[in-house]
Amino acid sequence: EIVLTQSPATLSLSPGERVTLSCRASQNINSYLAWYQQKPGQAPRLLIYDASNRATGIPARFTGGGSGTDFTLTISSLEPEDFALYYCQQRKSWPITFGQGTRLAIK
Amino acid sequence: EVQLVESGGGLVQPGGSLRLSCTASGFTFSTYAMSWVRQAPGKGLEWVAATTDSGASTYYADSVKGRFTISRDNSKNTLYVQMNSLRAEDTAVYYCASRYGGIWYFEFWGQGTLVTVSS
Repeated sequence: EIVLTQSPATLSLSPGERVTLSCRASQNINSYLAWYQQKPGQAPRLLIYDASNRATGIPARFTGGGSGTDFTLTISSLEPEDFALYYCQQRKSWPITFGQGTRLAIK
Repeated sequence: EVQLVESGGGLVQPGGSLRLSCTASGFTFSTYAMSWVRQAPGKGLEWVAATTDSGASTYYADSVKGRFTISRDNSKNTLYVQMNSLRAEDTAVYYCASRYGGIWYFEFWGQGTLVTVSS
């Protein structure tokens, strides 16, 4: 099973700041990684697929990068609605696995 | 508008069974692979099971293999998961989700249904 480790667990930032979230895979997953955003009481929303492709309707301030074992999600300028939980997910091999999440909190 | 609506959750005793349903609308259900993903209270996401568009192939997390069965009825636009031998650690919100095109990410999600396993 491929383990995804996200860091940090929590980030406290202010609107307008730039932030980079990290996801590290326990083995090479090429570019087969997605990022999701989840707000309280809501289902997750797909943001980025295959490491760097924005899903339909996702604003350009969200950028994904990386390949192999190290991946990042960068939000260029935080909007109030961006404060949420973020998860990464790999599709390289079964079972599909998710990272444990990074919470983006308002400072 | 795409909609996925889960139902069938509730309180069940350890060792009991439950069947969840997910009814789809707003897209051609029979052409989409589907999955169940769960989230224990206050915890992260855990993939549970998946099936191809026809239902011919199924995949399971080790934690549920042999106890859960995913299936679908394309004539009813409905996805199911039969959950047997339930344990306390199966307590979670269960989401159904559609595959993103031909790749195993999850595009559309339901609102989730809560399953609580407790005596």
